Amino acid sequence: DTGVSQDPRHKITKRGQNVTFRCDPISEHNRLYWYRQTLGQGPEFLTYFQNEAQLEKSRLLSDRFSAERPKGSFSTLEIQRTEQGDSAMYLCASSLTSGRQNEQFFGPGTRLTVL
Amino acid sequence: GQQLNQSPQSMFIQEGEDVSMNCTSSSIFNTWLWYKQDPGEGPVLLIALYKAGELTSNGRLTAQFGITRKDSFLNISASIPSDVGIYFCAGQFYNFNKFYFGSGTKLNVKP
Repeated sequence: DTGVSQDPRHKITKRGQNVTFRCDPISEHNRLYWYRQTLGQGPEFLTYFQNEAQLEKSRLLSDRFSAERPKGSFSTLEIQRTEQGDSAMYLCASSLTSGRQNEQFFGPGTRLTVL
Repeated sequence: GQQLNQSPQSMFIQEGEDVSMNCTSSSIFNTWLWYKQDPGEGPVLLIALYKAGELTSNGRLTAQFGITRKDSFLNISASIPSDVGIYFCAGQFYNFNKFYFGSGTKLNVKP
């Protein structure tokens, strides 16, 4: 399977715990994006990387959130001291940066529930 | 942030009917994408549009990039039960940057 993969698919945690999610993009894609989606809404942008450089962060990404892409391949998104409002689907997408290949391809998402 | 107004919010149609939905923005976009999302899954890319006035098809789906660059339309012909899902539009200002998403159109198809 050569699509975007995310792990875990589901995470249930207690308020105050730290959680980390992983995204593996399509192998030749050098751009990687994180989005958050709450029930009944479309995805909202959080941050994106070109190779290992984090180029933009949304105001949604509070200081409890950190994302990394250390070798320009997979990425991790960590949420520290989780709050109930962090409950959402966290989506990862990847794209190329050449020609017209602007399309972003999404993974299956990680559903986070904070109790 | 940017607001994309997607309508209708939901639709109930009979199998075999055609469907139209649209997305409008107060801002001009360079790229429009249309996605379909099934429950518990990530969005799946359906159609990409890059030029004002562009009309692109993917099987029974046809999408158009509005002339004003502030809107886009998606049509589904001869709907079938597997078309059920939530359809999202997404607009982008600059190439390879983030997309802004609408809040979705939920499609229900009665067999």
